[in-house]
Amino acid sequence: SQKIEQNSEALNIQEGKTATLTCNYTNYSPAYLQWYRQDPGRGPVFLLLIRENEKEKRKERLKVTFDTTLKQSLFHITASQPADSATYLCALDPSGTYKYIFGTGTRLKVLA
Amino acid sequence: GAGVSQSPRYKVAKRGQDVALRCDPISGHVSLFWYQQALGQGPEFLTYFQNEAQLDKSGLPSDRFFAERPEGSVSTLKIQRTQQEDSAVYLCASSPGAGAADEQFFGPGTRLTVL
Repeated sequence: SQKIEQNSEALNIQEGKTATLTCNYTNYSPAYLQWYRQDPGRGPVFLLLIRENEKEKRKERLKVTFDTTLKQSLFHITASQPADSATYLCALDPSGTYKYIFGTGTRLKVLA
Repeated sequence: GAGVSQSPRYKVAKRGQDVALRCDPISGHVSLFWYQQALGQGPEFLTYFQNEAQLDKSGLPSDRFFAERPEGSVSTLKIQRTQQEDSAVYLCASSPGAGAADEQFFGPGTRLTVL
């Protein structure tokens, strides 16, 4: 069956360290993969999009990698801050259209 | 400019009641999506509009769910004869274009509780 897996357990890291979140998928060949941030009681907020022919994408302290052979995306936050604490969702588009499938999200907590 | 807004933010319904959830997308956005998000889960796709046309309703769980966007802007998700399993957060998102590379702008959601 098709599925997207993200770390189901919360990730706690110390302020200043790099947080690495994982998104694994099976039985998809997505053309695009997106990462979103979601705070409690709010809708997701778009962070980054990476295309299948891109290995890496950066935006300020954020970095996303996309390995279509391993069927995996990694999301890194460098120099993490307590304000980075949130749930991070990966989403992929299985058919190159508008329809994204979301993972369950990983809750990140950055400790001061 | 204003982002995506949804109303009401919270809705409590008795089992069997009908509810209507409203979404005001960002002005000029072509695409509009509805998602259902259960506690601890990611958003699950319900339906997609491109302007006023409902191009995909494959995610609607049953024929009790109905969505419309008659003038290509505001959208309403209606749930008839609500059941307890309908309790969830309903998210609306819009995007400026119709392609897979467009980011989606989400509203704050409507939390529906069916008693």
